[in-house]
Amino acid sequence: GAGVSQSPSNKVTEKGKDVELRCDPISGHTALYWYRQSLGQGLEFLIYFQGNSAPDKSGLPSDRFSAERTGGSVSTLTIQRTQQEDSAVYLCASSLVGGGPYEQYFGPGTRLTVT
Amino acid sequence: DAKTTQPTSMDCAEGRAANLPCNHSTISGNEYVYWYRQIHSQGPQYIIHGLKNNETNEMASLIITEDRKSSTLILPHATLRDTAVYYCIVSQNNNDMRFGAGTRLTVKP
Repeated sequence: GAGVSQSPSNKVTEKGKDVELRCDPISGHTALYWYRQSLGQGLEFLIYFQGNSAPDKSGLPSDRFSAERTGGSVSTLTIQRTQQEDSAVYLCASSLVGGGPYEQYFGPGTRLTVT
Repeated sequence: DAKTTQPTSMDCAEGRAANLPCNHSTISGNEYVYWYRQIHSQGPQYIIHGLKNNETNEMASLIITEDRKSSTLILPHATLRDTAVYYCIVSQNNNDMRFGAGTRLTVKP
């Protein structure tokens, strides 16, 4: 079946604008994760969803960042009043279930550039 | 607070086995060892994971020492397409996957 998809693939925005990043997980996967990867760095965990609930929001860097998931499927990561330091690749992953030794399947990412 | 230690970079000749080490001396009894890789400009890709026993799949083999304090990922016949950053992660479950800097493997012709 189809893998994890993310849109847009690239987003250039001006400092201070809001952006929305979308993730479509693999059908039937109940767990969904958002990560951020700055240039040349490892992945930084942002948030985890099990179904529509987010038991772990510990990685969100500030209150400008929020995420939601509806219908146990699509998720949207919203960054308000973007700053230049928000420039990064935002990666989404899904897993059959959360809380167990199951692999995560990653999307191709959204490259966000804040000018 | 990194749970794993990996070399920053490694080279391997095409067609030879690539052996990527990982130290995880503070691993607890219910934590798994996971390996992912990230090819340039792509999202990470799951490779393999294990708890105590050695594991093998179509991509690689995972050798975990008896004391579980270290492990080795083996790519039996490396190809140029295996050039990537390889991440070793120790975690109880998939909700707590902390990716470090990984090992940059370069496969050379």
